[in-house]
Amino acid sequence: QVQLVQSGAEVKKPGSSVKVSCKASGGTFSSYTISWVRQAPGQGLEWMGRIIPILGIANYAQKFQGRVTITADKSTSTAYMELSSLRSEDTAVYYCARSVPFRGFDPWGQGTLVTVSS
Amino acid sequence: QSVLTQPPSVSGAPGQRVTISCTGSSSNIGAGYDVHWYQQLPGTAPKLLIYGNSNRPSGVPDRFSGSKSGTSASLAITGLQAEDEADYYCQSYDSSLSEVFGGGTKLTVL
Repeated sequence: QVQLVQSGAEVKKPGSSVKVSCKASGGTFSSYTISWVRQAPGQGLEWMGRIIPILGIANYAQKFQGRVTITADKSTSTAYMELSSLRSEDTAVYYCARSVPFRGFDPWGQGTLVTVSS
Repeated sequence: QSVLTQPPSVSGAPGQRVTISCTGSSSNIGAGYDVHWYQQLPGTAPKLLIYGNSNRPSGVPDRFSGSKSGTSASLAITGLQAEDEADYYCQSYDSSLSEVFGGGTKLTVL
């Protein structure tokens, strides 16, 4: 049974960067895709990008191109999402989720609250 | 503005049947890409409810069902229960190489 555990809440200043981790246990980390999805307070879900650890290839939503970097460390079964040039609108809960072709996102990490405030 | 369109809210009495629609376009649902549904209880991470348009993961009650036709999909919940009160999201893939979500639907059990 795959489980995803994310790093803890962060408070950041505008203009800075944040790096959130997502550690997987169970299953074969390299063989599946990890996506990052965020949810602003009271808002819906927004896909940010994905990485295929076995290939080391990441794809990003156009909205976040140039500001987000998704990486993976196969040795520790951990994926990372780094978002730079933070602004107040980036305040959100950030989720990682495993995606399997034709089977959606499952499971999800518990979420990491990132607060951007001066 | 979300790529997939869902009604902001639906409601029903216990025991009733409700449906939630998810409308896309020819670049996502209409292009043949699968639709998946998620349930998000207050303060928790989303949970996969339906995958591949109409399949239930192990442990999801058969009160939940999904369908897809053309550029739209639907989630039906029968025998509504108080614990079904949650936000529901549809999700698909888009020809722009992105995963896309609906804006979410808040289900209220009256």
